[in-house]
Amino acid sequence: QKEVEQNSGPLSVPEGAIASLNCTYSDRGSQSFFWYRQYSGKSPELIMFIYSNGDKEDGRFTAQLNKASQYVSLLIRDSQPSDSATYLCAVKGGDSSYKLIFGSGTRLLVRP
Amino acid sequence: SAVISQKPSRDICQRGTSLTIQCQVDSQVTMMFWYRQQPGQSLTLIATANQGSEATYESGFVIDKFPISRPNLTFSTLTVSNMSPEDSSIYLCSVLTGGQETQYFGPGTRLLVL
Repeated sequence: QKEVEQNSGPLSVPEGAIASLNCTYSDRGSQSFFWYRQYSGKSPELIMFIYSNGDKEDGRFTAQLNKASQYVSLLIRDSQPSDSATYLCAVKGGDSSYKLIFGSGTRLLVRP
Repeated sequence: SAVISQKPSRDICQRGTSLTIQCQVDSQVTMMFWYRQQPGQSLTLIATANQGSEATYESGFVIDKFPISRPNLTFSTLTVSNMSPEDSSIYLCSVLTGGQETQYFGPGTRLLVL
């Protein structure tokens, strides 16, 4: 069974620090990787996606992918209290479907 | 990204009844999906809504319990049938627009079954 694993947290960081969120996946054939942010009581909001090994930066967010280690991470620089949310890692498999498999999410708390 | 709406936004239902959830998109999309998020849990895919044909259900979900319709490229419904308290969840539709691999989610329907 294909799995996506995340530490449930909470991960607590002070305002202005770098928050590092990690995700591992079991399907070596996975091709696409997504990070969603979900505020309490809201639906998931896409933050970033990454397809290739290495880093991808978008503003304060950097996604990192290492397919050999089956590991994807999200770095949030200059963390703000408004970044406090649950971050969901999602993986699309290597098959022809568009199904996403979600991790259980990491809860991030940014302390003012 | 597409603008997605869902109706109702929330509901409280009695066990044994059924509820139909609507998902409307402001533009034509290639694929639509229905997810469930149980309290404190992550998202689980229920089915892929196929336009003009029967939905494709994931393991553990069946058409009799979760009938789905998708009459056109902008609209889909999910019915939760013969509800029990275990069906209390957030139900989310998501869409995949043409040429992209990214899914965008609707605001969700919060269902409580008593």
